[in-house]
Amino acid sequence: GAVVSQHPSWVICKSGTSVKIECRSLDFQATTMFWYRQFPKQSLMLMATSNEGSKATYEQGVEKDKFLINHASLTLSTLTVTSAHPEDSSFYICSARPGSGTSTDTQYFGPGTRLTVL
Amino acid sequence: AQSVAQPEDQVNVAEGNPLTVKCTYSVSGNPYLFWYVQYPNRGLQFLLKYITGDNLVKGSYGFEAEFNKSQTSFHLKKPSALVSDSALYFCAVIPTPGSARQLTFGSGTQLTVLP
Repeated sequence: GAVVSQHPSWVICKSGTSVKIECRSLDFQATTMFWYRQFPKQSLMLMATSNEGSKATYEQGVEKDKFLINHASLTLSTLTVTSAHPEDSSFYICSARPGSGTSTDTQYFGPGTRLTVL
Repeated sequence: AQSVAQPEDQVNVAEGNPLTVKCTYSVSGNPYLFWYVQYPNRGLQFLLKYITGDNLVKGSYGFEAEFNKSQTSFHLKKPSALVSDSALYFCAVIPTPGSARQLTFGSGTQLTVLP
């Protein structure tokens, strides 16, 4: 149980284009999903927290107009990198937290999406 | 201020030997503590967590961790390491349970188990 998927697993795009990454909780409902960014050999940096049906909360320094987050259902959140540039190249990881039960504080992570912007 | 610290960037251990990956935290109150493992180009896999109760927590793949409040530590341990345990390990904390409930990660420790 507690499986989170991400699609695509990797994507290469041209500078200036937009890329959408999907995060799905496959066997549980997630009232809260998180988006992280990870640079090589570094820890995860929280970008934003999204709650189903409401606007995402962005961490300081993260441009909300560049990284659009939509959490339209209890099993799906999307991250759209708009007008991507090479400096946006990174490993993006989502996580989802179940909405009820004793494990409400355990986040389950997706496999990540490798974005390369040329 | 950093909430959680992993003092070792790299830990090497021989297969079959016990392993320890260190983690200390610096938050007040009663934090929730977690260990995750990351294999190359993969997301994080949950290993174990401490919320309350018994200080020794047992998790996946034979790992365990001991919560030590006096030393503010939550070291990850395994009695006998396997080559397949080689991966990047992250300690994480929720500093104030019940509030934002967001994970703060340590910097990670690369574990290499040598055959």
